[in-house]
Amino acid sequence: NAGVTQTPKFQVLKTGQSMTLQCAQDMNHEYMSWYRQDPGMGLRLIHYSVGAGITDQGEVPNGYNVSRSTTEDFPLRLLSAAPSQTSVYFCASSYDRGGTEAFFGQGTRLTVV
Amino acid sequence: GQQVMQIPQYQHVQEGEDFTTYCNSSTTLSNIQWYKQRPGGHPVFLIQLVKSGEVKKQKRLTFQFGEAKKNSSLHITATQTTDVGTYFCAGRTSSTLGRLYFGRGTQLTVWP
Repeated sequence: NAGVTQTPKFQVLKTGQSMTLQCAQDMNHEYMSWYRQDPGMGLRLIHYSVGAGITDQGEVPNGYNVSRSTTEDFPLRLLSAAPSQTSVYFCASSYDRGGTEAFFGQGTRLTVV
Repeated sequence: GQQVMQIPQYQHVQEGEDFTTYCNSSTTLSNIQWYKQRPGGHPVFLIQLVKSGEVKKQKRLTFQFGEAKKNSSLHITATQTTDVGTYFCAGRTSSTLGRLYFGRGTQLTVWP
């Protein structure tokens, strides 16, 4: 059971480039989310999904897009990378919305130069 | 904005000393979870509290949920070097069920 798998683990982008961070879970979880983690700022929610075909914005959605075409996958797209998007990105999933634990991926460390 | 406040941001203790981190919410929470993140790692679930006044223990860790369900604490007795990491609380409200509001975390350093 792989859990939550994120790729890549590390990425360096130039300003203006676009890319997709991949997230896949094999636990048949309904709820998936993307967070960014910056020093001293904790985990801030970017986008989340309550099921296939349903997504919504979190507290810091600008500059990011998501889609949820399958239960398993929840990719995060950076449209035009900016240095302010340098961060560690975590994908998480949980069985439902109600009160189950969140399982986190290993994270993607992104640097935008 | 930040709905769950967590203090302190940093805590440095000598091995054997106790440690406590506190979370406060401006709104009533339906439940609160605690996570631990080791340096360079990802957050890992520790526990969930649901009931008003609930207290749960995991070996040297004691978790409490306030009577009003607006605050919570994590207390570690006799810290060990293996306790090093950042501890996060994360709360859910009934109106935004599903979204976890994370505190900014408390980074614990333990020196031998």
